[in-house]
Amino acid sequence: SAVISQKPSRDICQRGTSLTIQCQVDSQVTMMFWYRQQPGQSLTLIATANQGSEATYESGFVIDKFPISRPNLTFSTLTVSNMSPEDSSIYLCSVRPSTRGLRADTQYFGPGTRLTVL
Amino acid sequence: GDSVTQMEGPVTLSEEAFLTINCTYTATGYPSLFWYVQYPGEGLQLLLKATKADDKGSNKGFEATYRKETTSFHLEKGSVQVSDSAVYFCALSETGGYNKLIFGAGTRLAVHP
Repeated sequence: SAVISQKPSRDICQRGTSLTIQCQVDSQVTMMFWYRQQPGQSLTLIATANQGSEATYESGFVIDKFPISRPNLTFSTLTVSNMSPEDSSIYLCSVRPSTRGLRADTQYFGPGTRLTVL
Repeated sequence: GDSVTQMEGPVTLSEEAFLTINCTYTATGYPSLFWYVQYPGEGLQLLLKATKADDKGSNKGFEATYRKETTSFHLEKGSVQVSDSAVYFCALSETGGYNKLIFGAGTRLAVHP
């Protein structure tokens, strides 16, 4: 498995502002993912972030609203831009370790960032 | 596209009761299947997984068997504890591409003493 940390763990923000969430992993990983979990809901994939390439966004999510950086194999950031109350959610990063010999499709999740937009 | 359907919650049980949470899936290819658990105020933890038909995943007394013929991956535990109270998510990993996870809606379990 991988140990994943996220900063901040929670924040309360004003509408119209932006927040950058950091995700740090204790080992090098190929694949990193960002998910949103709206209150009482399941998880929805926002984008897949590979090191050295542009993030791949899912339908309904755009780079201008959720820009992502992936500068190296242990770190990524997600920015929630021009926030509105509808962006209040838990944002989670996850990783799929680069393993050999095992089916490398298990994802491990960070503790999440709980965002409230007023 | 691929999808996962879970039984709706909340599921309320007394301690030591038997637990079943149903999960069925629709997928092309041969996905891996997962159960994740989310305790109150925390992120997701991998509970168990199965990568091929007839595999049984198990952890902490929980079990689930990958049934290709019924496209199911039901979660079971013989005797639940209050500490098992959480939200349980069934998920599949798509075959090919980025192998992204598709989650079910989640089932909230409440166990009372």
